[in-house]
Amino acid sequence: DGGITQSPKYLFRKEGQNVTLSCEQNLNHDAMYWYRQDPGQGLRLIYYSQIVNDFQKGDIAEGYSVSREKKESFPLTVTSAQKNPTAFYLCASSIDWGRSNQPQHFGDGTRLSIL
Amino acid sequence: SQQGEEDPQALSIQEGENATMNCSYKTSINNLQWYRQNSGRGLVHLILIRSNEREKHSGRLRVTLDTSKKSSSLLITASRAADTASYFCATDATGFQKLVFGTGTRLLVSP
Repeated sequence: DGGITQSPKYLFRKEGQNVTLSCEQNLNHDAMYWYRQDPGQGLRLIYYSQIVNDFQKGDIAEGYSVSREKKESFPLTVTSAQKNPTAFYLCASSIDWGRSNQPQHFGDGTRLSIL
Repeated sequence: SQQGEEDPQALSIQEGENATMNCSYKTSINNLQWYRQNSGRGLVHLILIRSNEREKHSGRLRVTLDTSKKSSSLLITASRAADTASYFCATDATGFQKLVFGTGTRLLVSP
């Protein structure tokens, strides 16, 4: 079955540590996204990628980094510069960036906590 | 910044009743989407309504869009316990896939 796989489901970060969240899709979608979800709030866009080897900052990119070396993969690194990383992180994909009348498909998220 | 605001923040009903959630937004849009999120899971797309459409149906779901009031409503008819989830509206104002999500409505359907 096609879909988006995020791992791990739970992740703990120590002070000063960088951690990487994995996102893999087998939907053959060009565009991929990372969102952050805090309790009682909606989703906020961290980074997005329109196509392989391209990525753009979203609304809250500070303290995060991404790469898009393969079409299927869009890992997110939460760096030590992100002072409040505790949140639920969601990865999504869509057929392409230019077609707004298409849904986004989501993985089941990674919950990141501070040790 | 978040464009969409859902109302109410939380809704509790009995099975068989209808549930209505509202979404208000601030700027002109190309389309509006509704998503469902079960606890601890990702979002699932429910329905998309374009700016030139006023109403759309999908199974037990009915969505309306009033662009003059910058608002949309999601009606779930004959609700079931399995409909318990958070529901989010998401708007597209750019013509691209940069969606802006609202804060969500938590729906609890009791058997």
